Amino acid sequence: AQSVTQLDSQVPVFEEAPVELRCNYSSSVSVYLFWYVQYPNQGLQLLLKYLSGSTLVKGINGFEAEFNKSQTSFHLRKPSVHISDTAEYFCAVTETSGSRLTFGEGTQLTVNP
Amino acid sequence: GAGVSQTPSNKVTEKGKYVELRCDPISGHTALYWYRQSLGQGPEFLIYFQGTGAADDSGLPNDRFFAVRPEGSVSTLKIQRTERGDSAVYLCASSLEEAAYNEQFFGPGTRLTVL
Repeated sequence: AQSVTQLDSQVPVFEEAPVELRCNYSSSVSVYLFWYVQYPNQGLQLLLKYLSGSTLVKGINGFEAEFNKSQTSFHLRKPSVHISDTAEYFCAVTETSGSRLTFGEGTQLTVNP
Repeated sequence: GAGVSQTPSNKVTEKGKYVELRCDPISGHTALYWYRQSLGQGPEFLIYFQGTGAADDSGLPNDRFFAVRPEGSVSTLKIQRTERGDSAVYLCASSLEEAAYNEQFFGPGTRLTVL
């Protein structure tokens, strides 16, 4: 079984500031890692995913994440946030041999002017 | 093209009643997933289908919950004798095929409120 821990439930930042949303996972088998974003009143949308290869993954809307196997982390970063990035962000993991996603509890990112 | 759609968007029912929640996946997607998202939590897996068959139903909380996908496209999640604890947003997702590397595309969800 896998588990995902998102270390911050809420992250307030000012517009144009950098942000990092932290995610740690636990698994006894190989996994794939994902970040999803949920805007108010909308469905979950994939930001990026790590399957293999380069540990730095670039996604949509200027986000990127780095897979660190030794620290079992997959932190999400953006160098300069916009008001429109205000949303709930979910880290998720799945076994490479499976397909069901296990999600963290989410981080609410609020970008203030 | 059209994304995953779910109906109804909101459902209010009384404790003990039966409800059905519908999911229309993206055309051509063979894998379909149901998740439940309680307030302030991340989505939790319930069940997934590959084609018409339930490949993994280990996330269903008890035997009051049941899901079908008779023709390998539309799926219905059925909840019998609803309880207040069933109140949540029920999310449906589909992917091109059952594989961990495939993106799951999520619908907007059905918000179920059990009074």
